Amino acid sequence: EVQVVESGGGLVQPGRSLRLSCTASGLIFGDYAMSWVRQAPGKGLEWVGFIASKAYGESKNYGASVKGRVTISRDDSKTIAYLQLHSLKTDDTAIYYCAFGAYGDSGDYWGQGTLVTVSS
Amino acid sequence: SYELTQPPSVSVSPGQTATISCSGDALPKQYVYWYQQKPGQAPVLVIYKDSERPSGIPERFSGSSAGTTVTLTISGVQAEDEADYHCQSADTSANYWLFGGGTKLTVL
Repeated sequence: EVQVVESGGGLVQPGRSLRLSCTASGLIFGDYAMSWVRQAPGKGLEWVGFIASKAYGESKNYGASVKGRVTISRDDSKTIAYLQLHSLKTDDTAIYYCAFGAYGDSGDYWGQGTLVTVSS
Repeated sequence: SYELTQPPSVSVSPGQTATISCSGDALPKQYVYWYQQKPGQAPVLVIYKDSERPSGIPERFSGSSAGTTVTLTISGVQAEDEADYHCQSADTSANYWLFGGGTKLTVL
């Protein structure tokens, strides 16, 4: 059974940075692309960014609302991926999910998410 | 900017058929993926590549595509199908995803 777990959420002040972590078991971590998706309270899903598997050069791309403030990385040896978001705004308040997909075009496996609240 | 458009809400009675549309200009060239999300839970993939069903997803879930509109159909709706449904497209050359606004399915 595949299990995906996000961590690192919490209350953060505007302007600060955060790093979220995502681990997965039950799959060959290095074979999968990974995306971060967020959901603001009562809103729909918003794609944050993507990192391909090593076989595809670990290429990355980011959503317009976070571009320039975000970095996604992965360490396949530790089966962990990260989302770093800087210069946090209140609009960044959301549940952050990581999702794994074999081909990078969808989220086949999702975690339960971690809540980030940006507030002073 | 490019968008995917879904109806905000759809209501059906148990046993009837629910259809949820997702429209976007790029959809003739991009696949659509559908996720079911129940309150307080993570999204679950129910349809991939417009019309393929992952293992473990009931046969009553199906998908179809026609031009700029992709449709999720739930035949013989059950109370447990009440959820939000999100469509998602992927520009695989750019490694870019886009979500629709989501549709709340209410089972009357």
